[in-house]
Order: sequence, then structure tokens, then C-alpha cells
Amino acid sequence: SQKIEQNSEALNIQEGKTATLTCNYTNYSPAYLQWYRQDPGRGPVFLLLIRENEKEKRKERLKVTFDTTLKQSLFHITASQPADSATYLCALDEKGNYQLIWGAGTKLIIKP
Amino acid sequence: DTGVSQDPRHKITKRGQNVTFRCDPISEHNRLYWYRQTLGQGPEFLTYFQNEAQLEKSRLLSDRFSAERPKGSFSTLEIQRTEQGDSAMYLCASSLGTTAGYEQFFGPGTRLTVL
Repeated sequence: SQKIEQNSEALNIQEGKTATLTCNYTNYSPAYLQWYRQDPGRGPVFLLLIRENEKEKRKERLKVTFDTTLKQSLFHITASQPADSATYLCALDEKGNYQLIWGAGTKLIIKP
Repeated sequence: DTGVSQDPRHKITKRGQNVTFRCDPISEHNRLYWYRQTLGQGPEFLTYFQNEAQLEKSRLLSDRFSAERPKGSFSTLEIQRTEQGDSAMYLCASSLGTTAGYEQFFGPGTRLTVL
């Protein structure tokens, strides 16, 4: 069966450290993988998109990697800050399909 | 504020009633999506429009759900004969482009509670 898995347990990180979140998928062939941030009671906000032929993408303190062999994407926040605390969702779209299929998200807590 | 608005933000209704939600996307975006999200889960795709054409509809969407996007601008999502299981956050998103791989801009959502 098709699945997208993100760590369901909250991730607690000390301020200033690097936070690393994982997104694993099975039985999909994504053309793109996207990461979004969601704060309580709000809609998701786009962060980064990475294509199947890209290994890594960076934006300021954010970095995403995409390994289509391992079927995994890693999302890194360097020099983390309490304001980075939120739920982070990964989403993928399969080739030729405009639907985004979402993971359940990982709650990130950055402690001062 | 992403530029996508939804109305109302909250709706409380009794089981069996009909409800309608509205979404106003970013004006130049030709794609519009509806999702449903329950606590602790990611958004679940409901349906998708390109301009005024409804191109895809989730198999999970029962006949009680209908969506429209007249003239390719705002969209409405109607749920008829609501059930308690319909209680969720309903999210609307819009994006540019005619190919896949564009970021989606989400509205703040409409939280539906069915009593």
C-alpha cells in the first residue's frame, strides 16, 4: 500500500542546534516533494520544493535532501530558534498527478 | 496572510443541515484545491479545479459534497446533510501554473463542527 510517514512523536531541540525531520514514502514515484510549516489553527505555509532529479535544496537556514533510492527526504533547520516551533508537513505529487499527498506532520519544539 | 481568504472561519451546525464554504484564491492563480484536515493528520485532498473546470475529485468525497468554481474565480464547497464525521478543518489552496510542481498557497481554513 502507499504510505507517507513522518515521525509522529514531537521533536524537542535545544535552541541553536540543528533540527532534522524525516519523511519516508513507499509505493510512490514522486516528481516533486514539498515541505510546509503549519501553526495551530492555520493553513500550511510553503517552505521548499525539491524535484526528483535534485539531491539538495537550500533556503536561508533551511535545507532539504531527496533520496529517491531510499525513498526519503530530510528537512534540516540550522541554528534553530523558538519561533521555528511548529508542525512540519511533507507532501509529494506523483508524476502526472496534480494532487498533493501529505504526511501527518512532525511537531517541532525548540526550547530556549 | 497568503492572499487566499476563506469564509466563514468557523461554522457550527446540527447534523443533517447543509453548509456552504467560500474560498477566494489569489487572483492570478488558475488552480484551486480543497482539502480536509482532522487533528493530528495532514491535509486530505478533496477536489481540484483548473480555472472553472473541476478536473479531479477524491474517491473519498461522497455524493453529499459538491464544489463549484464559476468563472474560474472564487469557489464554494457545499456539504449536504452533514454528519458528525464531517467535523474537520476545510482548507482551500491556490497555485499558479498548468503543470505540477508549484507551491500551494493556503487560506486560514474553515473549522466545521457538526453537533
